[in-house]
Amino acid sequence: QVQLQESGPGLVKPSETLSLTCTVSGGSISGYYWGWIRQPPGKGLEYIGYIYFSGSTNYNPSLKSRVAISVDTSKNQFSLKLSSVTAADTAVYYCARHRAKTTRGGMDVWGQGSTVTVSS
Amino acid sequence: DIQLTQSPSFLSASVGDRVTITCRASQGISSYLAWYQQKPGKAPKLLIYAASTLQSGVPSRFSGSGSGTEFTLTISSLQPEDFATYYCQQLNSYPQTFGQGTKVEIK
Repeated sequence: QVQLQESGPGLVKPSETLSLTCTVSGGSISGYYWGWIRQPPGKGLEYIGYIYFSGSTNYNPSLKSRVAISVDTSKNQFSLKLSSVTAADTAVYYCARHRAKTTRGGMDVWGQGSTVTVSS
Repeated sequence: DIQLTQSPSFLSASVGDRVTITCRASQGISSYLAWYQQKPGKAPKLLIYAASTLQSGVPSRFSGSGSGTEFTLTISSLQPEDFATYYCQQLNSYPQTFGQGTKVEIK
């Protein structure tokens, strides 16, 4: 079955850029929408944005000026970049697949999560 | 952004209890609502999509209902493995927002 795995630095300095990659295994990245969600310590879930396998994107307006999501179909990966980070960006970052090739059907496959701490 | 308000935020219940969690949207979202279960240190797990459709592999004691602005998640007979935090998510418009969560704990 399809599995997702996040990878990237666990510690990022303030004002720098957070970079994470999600590797899709057991299935193709093609035909689906792929999202990033984050969860600050002890808090709820925040939707960051999605990318379609073709490259079209949609971002949360609260982060839009700082976020970029890209896809590499040859590697079956998609990536998140969040610039100018502050302590408020400290969170567990999840990648996930939107089910049924639509963004309206919920997210049925999730990575295990990557903890990112912003600190000098 | 569409705001989702879950009630209650915290629920204490016993094994075998029937549990209902409500999710209210600040504007109509048709049936574009999903429910997730999250256990400590784990990723959320999709339980229900399209407000009332059970995700494959999810026990039938979970059910969802509602449309428009008011939705419910019901667990017909709470099991020990159901103690977790539950989130609703609206998928009608962007950004796709989540409710604040409902923590279900053992009484």
